[in-house]
Amino acid sequence: DSGVTQTPKHLITATGQRVTLRCSPRSGDLSVYWYQQSLDQGLQFLIQYYNGEERAKGNILERFSAQQFPDLHSELNLSSLELGDSALYFCASSVGLGTVNTGELFFGEGSRLTVL
Amino acid sequence: AQSVTQLGSHVSVSEGALVLLRCNYSSSVPPYLFWYVQYPNQGLQLLLKYTTGATLVKGINGFEAEFKKSETSFHLTKPSAHMSDAAEYFCAVRKASGTYKYIFGTGTRLKVLA
Repeated sequence: DSGVTQTPKHLITATGQRVTLRCSPRSGDLSVYWYQQSLDQGLQFLIQYYNGEERAKGNILERFSAQQFPDLHSELNLSSLELGDSALYFCASSVGLGTVNTGELFFGEGSRLTVL
Repeated sequence: AQSVTQLGSHVSVSEGALVLLRCNYSSSVPPYLFWYVQYPNQGLQLLLKYTTGATLVKGINGFEAEFKKSETSFHLTKPSAHMSDAAEYFCAVRKASGTYKYIFGTGTRLKVLA
């Protein structure tokens, strides 16, 4: 158990809909990352938050947005869903920033999204 | 920009044989390097990491990797494969300082043959 919790584990929805994926980081971790894993694209970095602020952005579509709340949990919002958005979405957390942080990412078990 | 290349999307080895999974990276600054393993329907789990110091790092489940700066490589090895090693393996790189973006390779699926 990595200590990172993601809900829901599975989600089936239709094209055009909107969904929200939730992530609770490990206790004490300030930094949250979102990744998308699909068969043809591998593990793609979407976005990173640190203590409530956006820190780095990757290949995140404009239809997608995320935020990190004061209690450090994070949500990834996916809207106007398309078939190609079907993927496994991972949240990961780490201790935070700073040169003393040599830490790895701790991953949740993912949220599998199926868009029909 | 950082990048990671994993040679071979699928690797098959016999049980008891040497496991070698290749990873080459590109980074303009000293990197931190990681190997993760993903079992079916699970998240990624850290196998080992290199930050500074000794270039040969040992991880869990008998795996080890060697950081070779001159070759920009961080290959993962295990002397003797076990059936339970069948999984997908990801190499990742992160800058030692600055933005904390972790870049992952495309993964190598390891199959262990009885």
